[in-house]
Amino acid sequence: EPEVTQTPSHQVTQMGQEVILRCVPISNHLYFYWYRQILGQKVEFLVSFYNNEISEKSEIFDDQFSVERPDGSNFTLKIRSTKLEDSAMYFCASSRQRASGNTIYFGEGSWLTVV
Amino acid sequence: AQSVTQLGSHVSVSEGALVLLRCNYSSSVPPYLFWYVQYPNQGLQLLLKYTSAATLVKGINGFEAEFKKSETSFHLTKPSAHMSDAAEYFCAVSSLVQGAQKLVFGQGTRLTINP
Repeated sequence: EPEVTQTPSHQVTQMGQEVILRCVPISNHLYFYWYRQILGQKVEFLVSFYNNEISEKSEIFDDQFSVERPDGSNFTLKIRSTKLEDSAMYFCASSRQRASGNTIYFGEGSWLTVV
Repeated sequence: AQSVTQLGSHVSVSEGALVLLRCNYSSSVPPYLFWYVQYPNQGLQLLLKYTSAATLVKGINGFEAEFKKSETSFHLTKPSAHMSDAAEYFCAVSSLVQGAQKLVFGQGTRLTINP
């Protein structure tokens, strides 16, 4: 069964450093997402992406965050200057459609630790 | 705004016993509801979803959930727990925001199975 794959599975970075989290969505999917889960808290929506542009973003997704689909297969989340509070599990997800009842498929997550 | 509340952050049952994980939603429009499961060191996997076709929804691994509009609930059940069901379970409501589908998650319920 096709799946969303994410790399790295775990990354430790120093505060202030740039981090890029990578994802390969399911191949025939058109909509891409990033969610995050801070330890002990809810899974939160960060951003959705369609047709090479952001379609919706949360208030968490400030100027230090950016997303890109550089080559038609990868979908990346960049955190420009990491803060301690960016430590979280970041989930990439994708879907074929954007209807409310549509299934969103998640990757296994990238655990980011900022020290 | 839509929201989901999961009652009980931890549920413990004996192997073979009934599993009941509670989810209540708040939505100003007919909701689309999902249950995801996260096994240790894995990503979020869809268990089942409600999209208004039938109020009793059957999912994978013997789980099912019943949509009750009068109670604004979408509780997850399994008649007989298995050790492999130990995981974290997330209820979520889906919405379209400015054309982008977004999932709003509950806080999750960690299910422990006692031998």
